[in-house]
Amino acid sequence: QQQVKQSPQSLIVQKGGISIINCAYENTAFDYFPWYQQFPGKGPALLIAIRPDVSEKKEGRFTISFNKSAKQFSLHIMDSQPGDSATYFCAASTGNQFYFGTGTSLTVIP
Amino acid sequence: DAGVTQSPTHLIKTRGQHVTLRCSPISGHKSVSWYQQVLGQGPQFIFQYYEKEERGRGNFPDRFSARQFPNYSSELNVNALLLGDSALYLCASSFSGTDSHEQYFGPGTRLTVT
Repeated sequence: QQQVKQSPQSLIVQKGGISIINCAYENTAFDYFPWYQQFPGKGPALLIAIRPDVSEKKEGRFTISFNKSAKQFSLHIMDSQPGDSATYFCAASTGNQFYFGTGTSLTVIP
Repeated sequence: DAGVTQSPTHLIKTRGQHVTLRCSPISGHKSVSWYQQVLGQGPQFIFQYYEKEERGRGNFPDRFSARQFPNYSSELNVNALLLGDSALYLCASSFSGTDSHEQYFGPGTRLTVT
């Protein structure tokens, strides 16, 4: 059973546009929600994370929006750049055990 | 500061063989977790170790085992390898083993079973 559901599976965005990736979860015990960026052949790199007592967190061009009542959270990448082309994973954690979404392959067209 | 390191980088094994993968966490981190990432999928949780004790186990068969050493490094062992064990094996370290905390991944070990 997939603990964290992620969509879309793939996304193509023009340079300068906004990329939006969505995730949903069921387990209300989750208390930490990170996003990871992964390039081919590399391990996932932590991008940004949020805890459920906050509805939004922004770091540079990356913003997490969190809706506790809907059990959904999303990643917004503003002013998307070709260098952002990668696979993005959402995750949810309880007791420091992490469950990952299936990933979104983002392509930013110059 | 050195990040999470894993060895070897790549490994080719034959069905039925045994494999040992190694991980060194970030200095000061006491928790190590292991994940299996099949091509095109998200990482799947295998084990978490904190202070040398197993704190969590994912839905993997008993062929998978792990341990953590006094210096907090860790080994993942897989016995009786199957073709389906071919994957990228990721190690992640974090400071805490009990509370949800930033978790940092190593580059992974690419295991190919033929």
